[in-house]
Amino acid sequence: GAGVSQSPRYKVAKRGQDVALRCDPISGHVSLFWYQQALGQGPEFLTYFQNEAQLDKSGLPSDRFFAERPEGSVSTLKIQRTQQEDSAVYLCASSLSLVNEQFFGPGTRLTVL
Amino acid sequence: AQTVTQSQPEMSVQEAETVTLSCTYDTSESDYYLFWYKQPPSRQMILVIRQEAYKQQNATENRFSVNFQKAAKSFSLKISDSQLGDAAMYFCAYRLPGGATNKLIFGTGTLLAVQP
Repeated sequence: GAGVSQSPRYKVAKRGQDVALRCDPISGHVSLFWYQQALGQGPEFLTYFQNEAQLDKSGLPSDRFFAERPEGSVSTLKIQRTQQEDSAVYLCASSLSLVNEQFFGPGTRLTVL
Repeated sequence: AQTVTQSQPEMSVQEAETVTLSCTYDTSESDYYLFWYKQPPSRQMILVIRQEAYKQQNATENRFSVNFQKAAKSFSLKISDSQLGDAAMYFCAYRLPGGATNKLIFGTGTLLAVQP
């Protein structure tokens, strides 16, 4: 693919609903990252995959957040029982390997009402 | 813990002029990477320039250059001959060279306006 793609681009959820955000990394990229960007802030790390293995999930803010990458390609970030504080842009990035440049997707803007 | 600080929430520059964006960071590591990312209103984050801490020479990429002061833990971005397309949010970021994770630690950003 030409770049990292994310879907949906915009998501509005009522408080308490579950949401699933998708990331399609660049083909062949081993490493995949999720970041959360609150309004007016810099992105903050959520979790990291190397292939299908989730090697670091230290940034996930609560057990309502869950990420997976079952076949080492597409990744899904799931948020259960959404809260208003979950409103943010969720960015996905991929890189060829651990030490290479991270390429970012356009993000998914989540608004929780 | 590593932190990145950008003390200029907003900056403005005239087209064709030069502007410098500031960044400081805190780390106890000796080997690391520093980056400047550009985020236009469309939100796609783009890498502008990177610097390896072990390299004393400042990185340059066309109109973009950095002033890396390791002892002072300072990493500023200079944009020369500013263009309207340079208007965006700029983020300074830090990363360790490798290991169990490769996460980027970002500052809060500087919004750059370019006046015609």
